[in-house]
Amino acid sequence: RKEVEQDPGPFNVPEGATVAFNCTYSNSASQSFFWYRQDCRKEPKLLMSVYSSGNEDGRFTAQLNRASQYISLLIRDSKLSDSATYLCVVNEEYGNKLVFGAGTILRVKS
Amino acid sequence: DAGVIQSPRHEVTEMGQEVTLRCKPISGHDYLFWYRQTMMRGLELLIYFNNNVPIDDSGMPEDRFSAKMPNASFSTLKIQPSEPRDSAVYFCASSFGRVTGELFFGEGSRLTVL
Repeated sequence: RKEVEQDPGPFNVPEGATVAFNCTYSNSASQSFFWYRQDCRKEPKLLMSVYSSGNEDGRFTAQLNRASQYISLLIRDSKLSDSATYLCVVNEEYGNKLVFGAGTILRVKS
Repeated sequence: DAGVIQSPRHEVTEMGQEVTLRCKPISGHDYLFWYRQTMMRGLELLIYFNNNVPIDDSGMPEDRFSAKMPNASFSTLKIQPSEPRDSAVYFCASSFGRVTGELFFGEGSRLTVL
């Protein structure tokens, strides 16, 4: 079983739509969680951290469910510029290893 | 401010040749990571350094791969001999202090082994 699993998509949505991605992780001792964004043929960049209480950054909302070991990302009012691959990332309990999911592809169309 | 700088950006080589990828981390960052990205396996951590010392190389696929960090501003990832299955994008990333989530990635080195 992969340490971090995501639905690869692609999710094809119209502009203005709300879209949600989920991610599951296998290591119950994981402490830190993040969403990264990767544009086509570019490097990954941090989108937002995921906190236990849930957190919001503009149109983006991240949630963590430790009991079920899943993380979610909600994007409201999708823009064309949101088209990218969204990577779910988990920090192992010890050390500095960030484990990346394979990513979910989002395509926002006009 | 300069970000993480990698070279070469693209490399095409033939099977059996030696490949050396280079990375300059962000000044002041004390952690450096080498990742490999393929369509099949996604982003995989190969090795990481703290203060120039290799901490975890469990992701290095085999003895053909080696990495060094002779000083705080330079690291290399070497593949010798290269094989077609090594074709991938190799990313270097750096961070300051223990990882809080934000790794700063270079633009990557796209390697094709024929």
